[in-house]
Amino acid sequence: DIQMTQSPSSLSASVGDRVTITCRASQSISSYLNWYQQKSGKAPELLIYAASSLQSGVPSRFSGSASGTDFTLTISSLQPEDFATYYCQQSYTTPLTFGGGTKVESK
Amino acid sequence: EVQLVDSGGGLVQPGGSLRLSCAASGFTFSSHWMHWVRQAPGKGLVWVSRINSDGSTTTYADSVKGRFTISRDNAKNTLYLQMNSLRAEDTAVYYCARSNATRTFDYWGQGTLVTVSS
Repeated sequence: DIQMTQSPSSLSASVGDRVTITCRASQSISSYLNWYQQKSGKAPELLIYAASSLQSGVPSRFSGSASGTDFTLTISSLQPEDFATYYCQQSYTTPLTFGGGTKVESK
Repeated sequence: EVQLVDSGGGLVQPGGSLRLSCAASGFTFSSHWMHWVRQAPGKGLVWVSRINSDGSTTTYADSVKGRFTISRDNAKNTLYLQMNSLRAEDTAVYYCARSNATRTFDYWGQGTLVTVSS
């Protein structure tokens, strides 16, 4: 199985901060990497697909990038509605696997 | 508007069975692969199973293989998950999710809670 290692597991930030979350795959997954946002008690929502493509309706402050097996989600200027947990997911092969999540909290 | 509505969760004893449903609307259900993803209380997301658009191909996580069965009724626009021999570790919120051509989960149901306890 492909392991997805996400870091950090949590972070504290303020509105307006630039936030970066990383995800490392245990083997090559090409660009088959997606990012989801999950707010407390709600279903996850797709933010970024294919490593760097913004899902329709998602604000442009969210962006994704890739370098080999390392992937990054960046929030350029954190907004109040962005406090949530973020998950990466590889869609290269089954079993489809997720990172452990990064909880973004208010400082 | 794409909508997925999960139902069928509840409290069940260890060794028991439960069938989850996911009613789809707002898109051509028969054109999409569908999945179940679960989340234990306070934990992360775990993929459970998938089924192809016509129901002829299914795949399972090792943790549920032989106990869970995914199926679909394209005439009713509904996805199912039959769960047998339930264990305490199956306790979770179960989400159905639609996938696109790159196996990205682009729409999710609201989830249904399954609690396995005596």
